Amino acid sequence: QKEVEQNSGPLSVPEGAIASLNCTYSDRVSQSFFWYRQYSGKSPELIMSIYSNGDKEDGRFTAQLNKASQYVSLLIRDSQPSDSATYLCAVNKPTGGFKTIFGAGTRLFVKA
Amino acid sequence: DVKVTQSSRYLVKRTGEKVFLECVQDMDHENMFWYRQDPGLGLRLIYFSYDVKMKEKGDIPEGYSVSREKKERFSLILESASTNQTSMYLCASSLGQAGRFQPQHFGDGTRLSIL
Repeated sequence: QKEVEQNSGPLSVPEGAIASLNCTYSDRVSQSFFWYRQYSGKSPELIMSIYSNGDKEDGRFTAQLNKASQYVSLLIRDSQPSDSATYLCAVNKPTGGFKTIFGAGTRLFVKA
Repeated sequence: DVKVTQSSRYLVKRTGEKVFLECVQDMDHENMFWYRQDPGLGLRLIYFSYDVKMKEKGDIPEGYSVSREKKERFSLILESASTNQTSMYLCASSLGQAGRFQPQHFGDGTRLSIL
């Protein structure tokens, strides 16, 4: 089992729709969770951090964390073609130094 | 804003050369990381450092070494470049003791081709 798992996609949604990206993690004691956006040929860019159970909203983005289910998700409301990218879920391990474990990413395609 | 600067966006080297990739961050972060990213393989950690002159092996350290002589600078060295080291190389940094709660911030990446 991978430490951080994501559906590779591609996930295709029409412009204006809600895109829902999901991620599960295996280490129950993980404490910090992040979503990065990566455009083709570019480096990952942090878009959301979440540390507590529940929802965290930032503009069109909402991160959701459920530690009991070891599940974190990212919702993108009013999806735009410019949101088309690969979204990486990342989890900080509380042991083994300060390494972050990255999922392989979900490719999102927003159709105009 | 955190600024992580990698010395080159694109680099072409020959097999057997010693290659240096440089990374500088301006936010006084204790932790610095080197990754490589290949299609279908995601981000793979090569080395990381949590203090000056300290280094830890990541998941794929073979064929690489690192140097951290100053807090703001973390160098990745390919001792004898090989074609299978052609990749996108990403440097990142994060805060120290609070690093377990803090995200990593990435540089723009260096696309390295070994011919």
